[in-house]
Amino acid sequence: ETGVTQSPTHLIKTRGQQVTLRCSSQSGHNTVSWYQQALGQGPQFIFQYYREEENGRGNFPPRFSGLQFPNYSSELNVNALELDDSALYLCASSLEGGLPYNEQFFGPGTRLTVL
Amino acid sequence: RKEVEQDPGPFNVPEGATVAFNCTYSNSASQSFFWYRQDCRKEPKLLMSVYSSGNEDGRFTAQLNRASQYISLLIRDSKLSDSATYLCVVTLNTGFQKLVFGTGTRLLVSP
Repeated sequence: ETGVTQSPTHLIKTRGQQVTLRCSSQSGHNTVSWYQQALGQGPQFIFQYYREEENGRGNFPPRFSGLQFPNYSSELNVNALELDDSALYLCASSLEGGLPYNEQFFGPGTRLTVL
Repeated sequence: RKEVEQDPGPFNVPEGATVAFNCTYSNSASQSFFWYRQDCRKEPKLLMSVYSSGNEDGRFTAQLNRASQYISLLIRDSKLSDSATYLCVVTLNTGFQKLVFGTGTRLLVSP
């Protein structure tokens, strides 16, 4: 196992609601990246947090926001949920997010269903 | 055009077969290259990094052709346990490591 944990495992919400997903990074890792994986697709990069700051962002609207805490755990918040937000949300932890060759270790994901 | 393109498959092969997956990427500034494996409803896991010189790990061989922007994965002597989706991944030099995934190629190995 990678040592990266995510909660909750599954979640069902309705359109318009807000959701918070949580990720605990592997011990010693200071970088957390979040990805969205829709059914039948590869994961899509949402954003990355490095030492509590947003370090980079993908092509997602502002209603996707995040936080990283001093212990390097992280939250992903999604406001005004839409049906297309239904997906597997993956977080990945790594050392020193700016370096290109550091392996990213994925957590088991949170499966979000929006009705 | 997608940044990373793969044939989604599925590739159905018998045990013991050799199977090859290909992937192309559109950004010539792509910096590092990987193959990840993803089992059904699980998280992706790094299978191997890919280098221009090629690299081999047991039954798995990966190759990168920067001039053609092409990445390959060869699996020899397929096992039932190789059944999974194989994701081609590149990173860009954006000041942070953003993994760009293909849609994945599904492999089914049958007895």
